Amino acid sequence: AQKITQTQPGMFVQEKEAVTLDCTYDTSDPSYGLFWYKQPSSGEMIFLIYQGSYDQQNATEGRYSLNFQKARKSANLVISASQLGDSAMYFCAMNARGSTLGRLYFGRGTQLTVWP
Amino acid sequence: DSGVTQTPKHLITATGQRVTLRCSPRSGDLSVYWYQQSLDQGLQFLIQYYNGEERAKGNILERFSAQQFPDLHSELNLSSLELGDSALYFCASSAGTGEETQYFGPGTRLLVL
Repeated sequence: AQKITQTQPGMFVQEKEAVTLDCTYDTSDPSYGLFWYKQPSSGEMIFLIYQGSYDQQNATEGRYSLNFQKARKSANLVISASQLGDSAMYFCAMNARGSTLGRLYFGRGTQLTVWP
Repeated sequence: DSGVTQTPKHLITATGQRVTLRCSPRSGDLSVYWYQQSLDQGLQFLIQYYNGEERAKGNILERFSAQQFPDLHSELNLSSLELGDSALYFCASSAGTGEETQYFGPGTRLLVL
């Protein structure tokens, strides 16, 4: 089975600073995808960024980048130039291409607070 | 806006009752997924449908059932409700069978009293 670990229950960052949210994963499948989602206090789940296990380059989407270190099985999310609106819960997730294809496994999340 | 719609947004009901949650996927998406988010269990995968057929099953209770209709919308039926079923229920959709990004609806917040 797949497992996602997010060890930071809460993080604080000042506006305009960069912040890294940690995520480690465990799977025996050689082919998998890694995702980050944002959940504001309103409750919806917003897709941020995707990284495939065979992608050579780290994924980037605007102010979001994924620091993918395959050997360490880590997929940290980096948010540059934090904004007040970035305050939310952030979830790391993965799916594997084997027998559990389609099923997303989520970590417990990191609550990010951006202060002025 | 992800393009995935869910109704209702909120639902309050009593123990022992039955409710139906509805989901419409993004235009063109063939897969629908259901997830449950609770404080103690976190986000848990329940079930996936692809083009009308059940594709994968997760930690879904026998009291819960789902289906996907020919127009690709999906319904999640929860019966004999218990207090512990109170949670946020998400529907997500993706284009294919499961490798692609899943886009989530706004969720249905269920409160069982």
